Parts: sequence; C-alpha cells; structure tokens
Amino acid sequence: DVKVTQSSRYLVKRTGEKVFLECVQDMDHENMFWYRQDPGLGLRLIYFSYDVKMKEKGDIPEGYSVSREKKERFSLILESASTNQTSMYLCASSPRDSYNEQFFGPGTRLTVL
Amino acid sequence: GQNIDQPTEMTATEGAIVQINCTYQTSGFNGLFWYQQHAGEAPTFLSYNVLDGLEEKGRFSSFLSRSKGYSYLLLKELQMKDSASYLCAVNTGFQKLVFGTGTRLLVSP
Repeated sequence: DVKVTQSSRYLVKRTGEKVFLECVQDMDHENMFWYRQDPGLGLRLIYFSYDVKMKEKGDIPEGYSVSREKKERFSLILESASTNQTSMYLCASSPRDSYNEQFFGPGTRLTVL
Repeated sequence: GQNIDQPTEMTATEGAIVQINCTYQTSGFNGLFWYQQHAGEAPTFLSYNVLDGLEEKGRFSSFLSRSKGYSYLLLKELQMKDSASYLCAVNTGFQKLVFGTGTRLLVSP
C-alpha cells in the first residue's frame, strides 16, 4: 500500500518563527512536490524535486525553501513564518514518468499567529 | 498564463448521473488528471486523459477534447459517498500540475 506521510496534521506557530514541514514517501518515487491549498484558490505548487539534492521552483515559491537530502524525504521550510502562510500544506510524490499520478499525503494544517 | 475553470458547486440526487466540466488554457499540455478529495482528506487519483476521447473506469468516466481545451468527469449511479470535491489538473510539462479550484459535489438522498 503506497504511503506518503507528513510530520504533523496540525501545527500552530508564531510570526517570525522558522517552520519545518516534513514529508516521507515509501514508494521509491523520484518526484516529490509541495503544494498549499486555500479556499477559492485550489492547490498551488510551491516547490518540487526530481531527484535527491535537486529542487525546482513552482508557481508560488516566495517565502519558502526546500531540502531533499534523501530520496524518500522532502522538507518544506518557512524561513520566517507570516500570517499569510496560514494554509493547508500537501506533499505528493510520483514515479519519474509524466503520465503517472501523484500520491498525496494527508496534509498539514498550519496556523501562523 | 494558466487558467483552469470548473464550477464551484453542484448538487445531485443519489442514483443520478452528474457531469463536471473543466476548461483549460495553459502554456503546455501533457495530460489532464481528475482527483477526488473528501473533506479533510488527501486528494486521490481518479483518471488521466492525454488523448482525445473517453476513458471509462467503473462508475466514473472522463472525456478530453484537446482542440477545445475541455474535459469532463462523468459520475454514474451516484452514491452518498461520492459527496466530495473534484479537482481538475493539467500537467503542463515535467509533471508540473496546475489545478482548478475544485468542484464541490453534494449528493442528496
């Protein structure tokens, strides 16, 4: 059974804090993705990675960075959290080929106060 | 720019058929996905179309017309458990997905 796990379901942080969101997949997938999901805006791609130590900016990378030191793990970092980063964050992974579906984790609901 | 449009909300009755439309204008096209998302849960894959035509998978079918920038998801024999959001997403290249805002479907008895 394929599995993408995220470190927390709910997280509350204060403005200015450094925040780490972790994602782990056990399917040996090459590709990993970070999205945020907001009402009325849908899912928007923040960053993605095709392989270890590789990263590409998505559509809304400002205020975020990522790290992929191991194939199974992809971390999203909020260097200095702001209230407009309050959102649901979803991680996904997929095999290399473009026709493959992405498998999503359960999401982390982050609230920045 | 990237633009994907789908209705915000639809309602239907148990046992009925419903069609959820999606139109897109994107800088690249490498296939279109439909995902289902129940409230508070992760999106799960329903279908993928890269060539024109209809793909059927049980009660769910998906159609694509690349020349019209149009797709639809057809759900037959609706069940209460089909109440969920349905997300249309275009692969614009290298697995970069651009999502629509989703269609919330409410199935009533």
